[in-house]
Amino acid sequence: AQSVTQLDSQVPVFEEAPVELRCNYSSSVSVYLFWYVQYPNQGLQLLLKYLSGSTLVKGINGFEAEFNKSQTSFHLRKPSVHISDTAEYFCAVSEAASGSRLTFGEGTQLTVNP
Amino acid sequence: DAGVIQSPRHEVTEMGQEVTLRCKPISGHNSLFWYRQTMMRGLELLIYFNNNVPIDDSGMPEDRFSAKMPNASFSTLKIQPSEPRDSAVYFCASTRETIQPQHFGDGTRLSIL
Repeated sequence: AQSVTQLDSQVPVFEEAPVELRCNYSSSVSVYLFWYVQYPNQGLQLLLKYLSGSTLVKGINGFEAEFNKSQTSFHLRKPSVHISDTAEYFCAVSEAASGSRLTFGEGTQLTVNP
Repeated sequence: DAGVIQSPRHEVTEMGQEVTLRCKPISGHNSLFWYRQTMMRGLELLIYFNNNVPIDDSGMPEDRFSAKMPNASFSTLKIQPSEPRDSAVYFCASTRETIQPQHFGDGTRLSIL
């Protein structure tokens, strides 16, 4: 079985600063990796995904993530955040061979301050 | 693409009552997932269906919870009888293939008094 750990439950930053949200996973087989964002009173929206190929993945809203197999990490980054990026971010993993069931991390609340 | 549609958006009811949550997946999607989100436990997968067949219901908390998918365009999650600890936001998600991401509905916020 796989597991996901998001190392920071809350990340406060100032507007236009860079941000990194950390995610580590554990699995004995090949995985697919995802980052989702949840705005207040809404469902989760896909930011980006890693299935195979290039380890640097670009997503919507200027976010990107890098898959590091040796460190079993999939950290999310943005070089300059906006107030509108304030939301909860979830890292998720699925086993490549066993279907689309996702295991989610605990979530990281990103708060962008003016 | 109308997205995953959940109803109702909000439900407030007294403990002991039956609660039915509804989900319409995106047309053409063949996998459907029910999640529960709380502050204490985060996002938990309750059950998922593939081609209308329940594949894994190990996340269903107890026998008070049941889920059905009578056809490809409709699913229900039922709680009977409901208890205050069932209060949470319940999400439905659907996907078309294994490597495709899940699309989430806006959720049903359930409050059991």
